[in-house]
This record gives sequence, structure tokens and C-alpha cells, in this order.
Amino acid sequence: KAGVTQTPRYLIKTRGQQVTLSCSPISGHRSVSWYQQTPGQGLQFLFEYFSETQRNKGNFPGRFSGRQFSNSRSEMNVSTLELGDSALYLCASSLDGWNTGELFFGEGSRLTVL
Amino acid sequence: GESVGLHLPTLSVQEGDNSIINCAYSNSASDYFIWYKQESGKGPQFIIDIRSNMDKRQGQRVTVLLNKTVKHLSLQIAATQPGDSAVYFCAENGGSQGNLIFGKGTKLSVKP
Repeated sequence: KAGVTQTPRYLIKTRGQQVTLSCSPISGHRSVSWYQQTPGQGLQFLFEYFSETQRNKGNFPGRFSGRQFSNSRSEMNVSTLELGDSALYLCASSLDGWNTGELFFGEGSRLTVL
Repeated sequence: GESVGLHLPTLSVQEGDNSIINCAYSNSASDYFIWYKQESGKGPQFIIDIRSNMDKRQGQRVTVLLNKTVKHLSLQIAATQPGDSAVYFCAENGGSQGNLIFGKGTKLSVKP
């Protein structure tokens, strides 16, 4: 079956702009988590959505937001971009959450902020 | 699509040798641990997991050891192959937001 799909794979934005990233989970998976990956901080948890509701949220400012649709597809949005937002954004899906099953990661969306 | 590589501990091994990758976890309350492998340009991939009621678990060519006394986790890869070259992360379930906490990662380089 198809894996986790993230779009776009690469994008370049300038400071102050906003960006929307998309994630299509594995069919049947209801949980979608988002992570930010940078060389300095590693993998950091942004938020988790389950059945269209945000179930957990990491320590990121309110500029980072997300949502999940009825088909479990998820989007995350970053507004008023800063240089430090340059990172690889990873989406992971699982049946019911990371603590009940394996997390499957997408290949990520590489965001560069100039 | 590279995601990490700067400032990472690196382990270099010869093809065919055994590799041991170590991880110190942070939360003594964590009771579930996972190892992930991330190849260049790809997302992390599940390798093996272990719960705190065990101190050892074996998979195919991989073994995870857990020492709760010193909060230490290790991943042993037998007969390391060039395809094992990647960054390896440990993760624990001790996040305050109900999330997994990932380690910074170790880069494994296998020399043919």
C-alpha cells in the first residue's frame, strides 16, 4: 500500500511569508503527527491530530498550526516565516497513535526561508 | 533531502563488523523506546522497539539493550552492511505533551 506522502518536497520562501504543507497518511491511519527536523535541534514534536482533533501539541509558537480533514489528510501552516523556520518538516502516520503502533514517516518537506 | 549531518556523532565501521550505537535517554518515567533509521533524503524508518519490562530484544540482525538503571539504550547491528549507512535515532515516550522524544542521532558509516 502507498506510504505517507508529503507535498511539496522542497520550497523556498522569504521572511514574513506563510507556508502550507500537506500530508496524506497511509490509508486507514487516523493519527498524523508533525515534526520539525534541524541539524541543531534534531527532531522536535510539533503536534498530533487524531480524528480531526489536535490531541497533543509541542512547544512551538502559535505561528505553527495544523488541521486534519475527515479523510485523515493533514496540513500544517507556518505564518510570518522566520529564518529559523528553515528545516525539514516530517509527517508521520499511525493507526491510532505512536503508543499503539508503529509510526510511518514521509520523506519530508524541505523548507528554506530566505 | 538531507536532514541531518552537521554536528552528529559518527561511527565508522568496516563491512561485516558488528556496530553498537548508544543512546542516553532523558526521562526516567519513559517506558517505551524505539530505534529509527534515517537514510539520506528519506524520513525515519522504524527498526525495533522495546518496553521497560524487558532489557533485551532481538530482531533480524539487530538487538536492542535497555539499562534502566543508567537510562541507557543501545542498538547492536550484526554483520554491518553498506546499506546500513544512515543516521540512527533513539526515541522515548517521556514527552510532556504525550509525544515521543527523539535523540540527536548517530551517523553510521560503513566502509566496504
